[in-house]
Amino acid sequence: GENVEQHPSTLSVQEGDSAVIKCTYSDSASNYFPWYKQELGKRPQLIIDIRSNVGEKKDQRIAVTLNKTAKHFSLHITETQPEDSAVYFCAVENQAGTALIFGKGTTLSVSS
Amino acid sequence: ETGVTQSPTHLIKTRGQQVTLRCSSQSGHNTVSWYQQALGQGPQFIFQYYREEENGRGNFPPRFSGLQFPNYSSELNVNALELDDSALYLCASSLEAGGNEQFFGPGTRLTVL
Repeated sequence: GENVEQHPSTLSVQEGDSAVIKCTYSDSASNYFPWYKQELGKRPQLIIDIRSNVGEKKDQRIAVTLNKTAKHFSLHITETQPEDSAVYFCAVENQAGTALIFGKGTTLSVSS
Repeated sequence: ETGVTQSPTHLIKTRGQQVTLRCSSQSGHNTVSWYQQALGQGPQFIFQYYREEENGRGNFPPRFSGLQFPNYSSELNVNALELDDSALYLCASSLEAGGNEQFFGPGTRLTVL
């Protein structure tokens, strides 16, 4: 089945710095790659997603890049703010389109 | 537009008991997926229901079962509870199965003693 590796597990940055989180996956047939943000005690919320026919997608301070050949995708957050502090999960939809397979998460801490 | 809701918020059970968790999907969504999130881990896929039929299943034993109703709300049932079943159970709804954003509910925190 699909396997998703996410790095790093923890990331500490200063306010205003950039943060990058990387994920690799195993199934080359996967086509949908969302990123979720989960604040403590709250539900995961989609922050950005990308499909396999696109290499990069941006939404204000957040961007995702996808390299289908290498089977990896990355989340980029620029000009980080303390409210960006949370756990971020990458996910890959399985080939059947029935499940999201999640990485183990990255705890991002932004200090002011 | 009403978001995804789940009940109850918290639940404490003892080993061997049975539990039913409930999920109301977002208005207009016909697909519900269930996930188990252990502390400090990413959500793990349990199963998905699409138009009242099971549409995919993760690596969970048969004592995890589910239902989806004509209004697309869903239940997760777990029999013969084990200590390792203690986790946050999340449901997520989507407009259709496959390639669509999944909107998560707030989760049910299950503790098995």
